[in-house]
Amino acid sequence: DTAVSQTPKYLVTQMGNDKSIKCEQNLGHDTMYWYKQDSKKFLKIMFSYNNKELIINETVPNRFSPKSPDKAHLNLHINSLELGDSAVYFCASSPLGTSNQPQHFGDGTRLSIL
Amino acid sequence: QKEVEQNSGPLSVPEGAIASLNCTYSDRGSQSFFWYRQYSGKSPELIMFIYSNGDKEDGRFTAQLNKASQYVSLLIRDSQPSDSATYLCAAPAGGTSYGKLTFGQGTILTVHP
Repeated sequence: DTAVSQTPKYLVTQMGNDKSIKCEQNLGHDTMYWYKQDSKKFLKIMFSYNNKELIINETVPNRFSPKSPDKAHLNLHINSLELGDSAVYFCASSPLGTSNQPQHFGDGTRLSIL
Repeated sequence: QKEVEQNSGPLSVPEGAIASLNCTYSDRGSQSFFWYRQYSGKSPELIMFIYSNGDKEDGRFTAQLNKASQYVSLLIRDSQPSDSATYLCAAPAGGTSYGKLTFGQGTILTVHP
């Protein structure tokens, strides 16, 4: 019954590796998001997709590439991982990508770079 | 100036007291505001949203919005130890930033028995 689910929950890897995080929502929402939460708990948006179309692309290194095969899925691929990429990555979704719609978050993926 | 700023914490209140969490925002175009609660190691959970000036109550929670002062607050009445968490205020970026939410830095609330 999980509304927004992410895999994996934990990801520990070496610097320089490439990794992917997957997200799926079963709420029927049109818009999905990726957020990064750093060690100080500051939550910052990275990307937003509305019905498979990229809408928001914040100042994120192009080592990060989102992909949305359909409106229920939004994956995040990260190339050449760096120490500073260590954080918790949250996927979220909302009914529409308008500003007055609450967003629902997945449980997060805790990425640790060794 | 940060786009969304919350009162510095941590905030500690005794059980049964009222906890007051405050947030200011810089974008006058913002129309809706959200309060999320995040327990340690968990994901943000929506607890309140408010669109109109004034108060909105939901159980022990009351959100207050003052658009003229660009200020939004969350009051938690009869605080319980289970309310201990980080509270995040969020506001839309406005303009053409489709669905973009800007979060404050969070306020850590501890309710002690």
